[in-house]
Amino acid sequence: SQTIHQWPATLVQPVGSPLSLECTVEGTSNPNLYWYRQAAGRGLQLLFYSVGIGQISSEVPQNLSASRPQDRQFILSSKKLLLSDSGFYLCAWSPGLAGIYQETQYFGPGTRLLVL
Amino acid sequence: AQTVTQSQPEMSVQEAETVTLSCTYDTSESDYYLFWYKQPPSRQMILVIRQEAYKQQNATENRFSVNFQKAAKSFSLKISDSQLGDAAMYFCAYSGSGGSNYKLTFGKGTLLTVNP
Repeated sequence: SQTIHQWPATLVQPVGSPLSLECTVEGTSNPNLYWYRQAAGRGLQLLFYSVGIGQISSEVPQNLSASRPQDRQFILSSKKLLLSDSGFYLCAWSPGLAGIYQETQYFGPGTRLLVL
Repeated sequence: AQTVTQSQPEMSVQEAETVTLSCTYDTSESDYYLFWYKQPPSRQMILVIRQEAYKQQNATENRFSVNFQKAAKSFSLKISDSQLGDAAMYFCAYSGSGGSNYKLTFGKGTLLTVNP
């Protein structure tokens, strides 16, 4: 079966510091990968998605970037964090072109980020 | 652009009773997918049920069922025999079809309280 991991679970960072959040998927190949942010009391906003290694699409202009160095690894980064980057970050995967139910996304446990 | 609206910010139900959560959406596409996700206090997003727009039959998953009205662009979730563990934030989500990626658009959520 497929599993998705995210770490760290919680992170407190000062303004201006760098950020690296990691997401990995097990039990599947060539997944589509997604990064979402959820602000307090609000719905989810798609930040980035990737359909393959090195292929990243950004949904909103922001202080963050994403990379996919390996097939099942997705990283969310920032060079200098802003207060507005605080939130709950969720990684998700869906089957790629060779899979069924490609439209169905499965989420990781999330990372709580607090920027002070 | 597609939009998803959940008009009930909060709902409550007595244990063992039935509750229905509402969702409407706007799209110009004829083929798409709809989802209900559950977010418990742990904040991990859990897929509850999915519906393919080209299928007229309403999806069911154990105590969870949907009422999909394509012409009205309505997609409500019915939870039967409510249990304390059903207490969570519920999000309705929309995904288009086709292409190599599927982007989810979420509603703002409905907070469900289950009273013992």
